[in-house]
Amino acid sequence: DAGVTQSPTHLIKTRGQQVTLRCSPKSGHDTVSWYQQALGQGPQFIFQYYEEEERQRGNFPDRFSGHQFPNYSSELNVNALLLGDSALYLCASSSISGLAGEINTGELFFGEGSRLTVL
Amino acid sequence: GNSVTQMEGPVTLSEEAFLTINCTYTATGYPSLFWYVQYPGEGLQLLLKATKADDKGSNKGFEATYRKETTSFHLEKGSVQVSDSAVYFCALDPSGYSTLTFGKGTMLLVSP
Repeated sequence: DAGVTQSPTHLIKTRGQQVTLRCSPKSGHDTVSWYQQALGQGPQFIFQYYEEEERQRGNFPDRFSGHQFPNYSSELNVNALLLGDSALYLCASSSISGLAGEINTGELFFGEGSRLTVL
Repeated sequence: GNSVTQMEGPVTLSEEAFLTINCTYTATGYPSLFWYVQYPGEGLQLLLKATKADDKGSNKGFEATYRKETTSFHLEKGSVQVSDSAVYFCALDPSGYSTLTFGKGTMLLVSP
């Protein structure tokens, strides 16, 4: 059973460029969330996608956008890159309910991340 | 707003020592509380959780009790092992949508 997979694992961009990061959720999961983790900090919630729509959004500017596809995979796009966007971007998948139908709140399965460096 | 405060690390212990990592939170309502762990070279993974006041989460010898009166969720383990060396993150879910607010993380280093 494949877990959460992210690509690319590392990338380098320059200020002003745009980047797209990709995520495939764990099998059976329908919800994808994106987090930004700066060096030495905890992950910060960017947004969450469910049923191909943005359901929740954290305190990030509109330069950060995303998409979810019918197969539940997701993309994170960042436009007009700034130096401060350098971070590890984590994708996390989850399911609204567990196997027994219970609400499976908070159990996220994380990928290993995409490390973005902006020069 | 919602926030989580963890003790700063690194926490350095010898094998078989007792571990406590403090975590306090600020949130409206009644959030669910979590500890996630990040082992070297691996992704974040759920260690334990508690969804209401006085609940105790436990896993792999680790425990944490949801204390509403002190807004705390301290992580404890009676006897740590070298393999427990990792970064530990306390987190809360305020909304029930699995949109977590994390602390900054505490690095634990266990020596033989």
